[in-house]
Amino acid sequence: AQTVTQSQPEMSVQEAETVTLSCTYDTSESNYYLFWYKQPPSRQMILVIRQEAYKQQNATENRFSVNFQKAAKSFSLKISDSQLGDTAMYFCAFAEYGNKLVFGAGTILRVKS
Amino acid sequence: KAGVTQTPRYLIKTRGQQVTLSCSPISGHRSVSWYQQTPGQGLQFLFEYFSETQRNKGNFPGRFSGRQFSNSRSEMNVSTLELGDSALYLCASSLEGGDDTQYFGPGTRLTVL
Repeated sequence: AQTVTQSQPEMSVQEAETVTLSCTYDTSESNYYLFWYKQPPSRQMILVIRQEAYKQQNATENRFSVNFQKAAKSFSLKISDSQLGDTAMYFCAFAEYGNKLVFGAGTILRVKS
Repeated sequence: KAGVTQTPRYLIKTRGQQVTLSCSPISGHRSVSWYQQTPGQGLQFLFEYFSETQRNKGNFPGRFSGRQFSNSRSEMNVSTLELGDSALYLCASSLEGGDDTQYFGPGTRLTVL
């Protein structure tokens, strides 16, 4: 079975600084998709960024970027210029065939002013 | 475009009752997936519907069922409610079957007393 591991239960960062959230996964497949979602206190799950495993280039979305290491099965999220609104629970998720997402346990990120 | 909508947002039931939750996907999206979120088990996949057919199913008992209508709207039913069914139930839709990105609704908070 596929598993996703987020080893950092909680992290904090000062406003305007950079923070990296870690994620590792386990799969025997070669083609799959990886996602980072954020869930603020409102509980609305919001897509942050998506990476397709066959693409070598790391995905970026404004202040958010990933470091995708396929051989190491690692998929970390870097948030630059952290803002108070980035405070949320961040989930790493994995998908193979079909729309079945496997989620990690999440990392609570607190941005401090 | 309007996002994924879920009704009701909050629900309180007692043990033994049954409940039906509804999800309307983003216009044009044909795949709808359901997830259960609890503090103890995290986010777990329940099932996915595409073109009115269940395409994928998670490891939940038969008390959990669902269906999808021709307009892609989906309902999820839980019969003989147990205390452990108290959770946030999230619905997500994607453009078409396959590995497309899932967009989540705000969730239905179910409390079983």
